[in-house]
Amino acid sequence: KQEVTQIPAALSVPEGENLVLNCSFTDSAIYNLQWFRQDPGKGLTSLLLIQSSQREQTSGRLNASLDKSSGRSTLYIAASQPGDSATYLCAVRSEETSGSRLTFGEGTQLTVNP
Amino acid sequence: NAGVMQNPRHLVRRRGQEARLRCSPMKGHSHVYWYRQLPEEGLKFMVYLQKENIIDESGMPKERFSAEFPKEGPSILRIQQVVRGDSAAYFCASSLLRLAGDKETQYFGPGTRLLVL
Repeated sequence: KQEVTQIPAALSVPEGENLVLNCSFTDSAIYNLQWFRQDPGKGLTSLLLIQSSQREQTSGRLNASLDKSSGRSTLYIAASQPGDSATYLCAVRSEETSGSRLTFGEGTQLTVNP
Repeated sequence: NAGVMQNPRHLVRRRGQEARLRCSPMKGHSHVYWYRQLPEEGLKFMVYLQKENIIDESGMPKERFSAEFPKEGPSILRIQQVVRGDSAAYFCASSLLRLAGDKETQYFGPGTRLLVL
């Protein structure tokens, strides 16, 4: 059974710092891995999707990497801003379930202080 | 093209009442997924439906919960005789096709926040 873990659970940094969020998954047979952002009381915003054949994806100040064989992904945020404060969720689509669902981690709550 | 729509956005029920949560998928999408997010937890898969069919309900609680996606109209997640432990955010997602490739994903709605008093 696929399990997704995110470390750390919470992170507080001063504005301008570069930071890394970590995600690990137990079953490497995945279709893709996706990073989402969730603001308090709001829905999910997709940030980056990395296909199983890819190693990384970039969007603006965000860079996500995928090491499928070791079951790890990182989300790198450059030059963090207070507007980046949110919960970041990692999710995988697994071959185990024929890709019919996403399995989520519990998220990293990020606070960027001005 | 409107995104996934859910209503109501907030729902308050007393213990023992019924809760009905609605989800209208993106235009043209015929696959719907429901997830539940308990306080301080990640999202957990509940059920996957295609028009008029339940494909995978392995994440649904055995009792009091049901889901449908009729030929016409929105998908409905129904919770009978609600208890305080049902208080959570319920998210719906949709996809165009059955997810088979590595580029495909689900598109999420804003969620319904259920509070059981």
